[in-house]
Amino acid sequence: GENVEQHPSTLSVQEGDSAVIKCTYSDSASNYFPWYKQELGKRPQLIIDIRSNVGEKKDQRIAVTLNKTAKHFSLHITETQPEDSAVYFCAAIDTGGSYIPTFGRGTSLIVHP
Amino acid sequence: EPEVTQTPSHQVTQMGQEVILRCVPISNHLYFYWYRQILGQKVEFLVSFYNNEISEKSEIFDDQFSVERPDGSNFTLKIRSTKLEDSAMYFCASSATGPNQPQHFGDGTRLSIL
Repeated sequence: GENVEQHPSTLSVQEGDSAVIKCTYSDSASNYFPWYKQELGKRPQLIIDIRSNVGEKKDQRIAVTLNKTAKHFSLHITETQPEDSAVYFCAAIDTGGSYIPTFGRGTSLIVHP
Repeated sequence: EPEVTQTPSHQVTQMGQEVILRCVPISNHLYFYWYRQILGQKVEFLVSFYNNEISEKSEIFDDQFSVERPDGSNFTLKIRSTKLEDSAMYFCASSATGPNQPQHFGDGTRLSIL
């Protein structure tokens, strides 16, 4: 089955800095990669997603890049703000096969004012 | 904006008892999901449901678990004979069409087994 590794487990940055979270996946058939933000005690919320037919997608301060050859994808947050502090989860899904989403273990992002 | 709603927010149950967790997916969504998140750990897929039947299920989703759509709005997860290790946050989610579309999560039900 699919295995998703996510790094780092904790990321501490100063407000205004950029943050990068990386995920690798094992199943080359995975073709849909969503990212979720989970604030303490709250529901995971989709913040951005990317499909295997594109290499990069951007939405304001958030961007995701995908390298299919290396089987890794990354979340980039620029100009971080304290409200960006949360746990971020990546996921990989093979939408043509098993359809079972596999999540990474999460990255706790702390943005210091 | 429509939301997935879950009840109860917190359920405390004695070990060995049955629990039913309830979810109301977004009304025009066709795919429904249950996930589990043990405290401090990652989100784990349990089961997906489409067209009134299970579409996919993980190894976690054994005979202890069942899902049902008893009417046109509710989607339930039943856990029979609960164990201590069933203590977790259970999230329901729905997507408009298939798993290749964004999934919208509910606020979760915190299940505590005593």
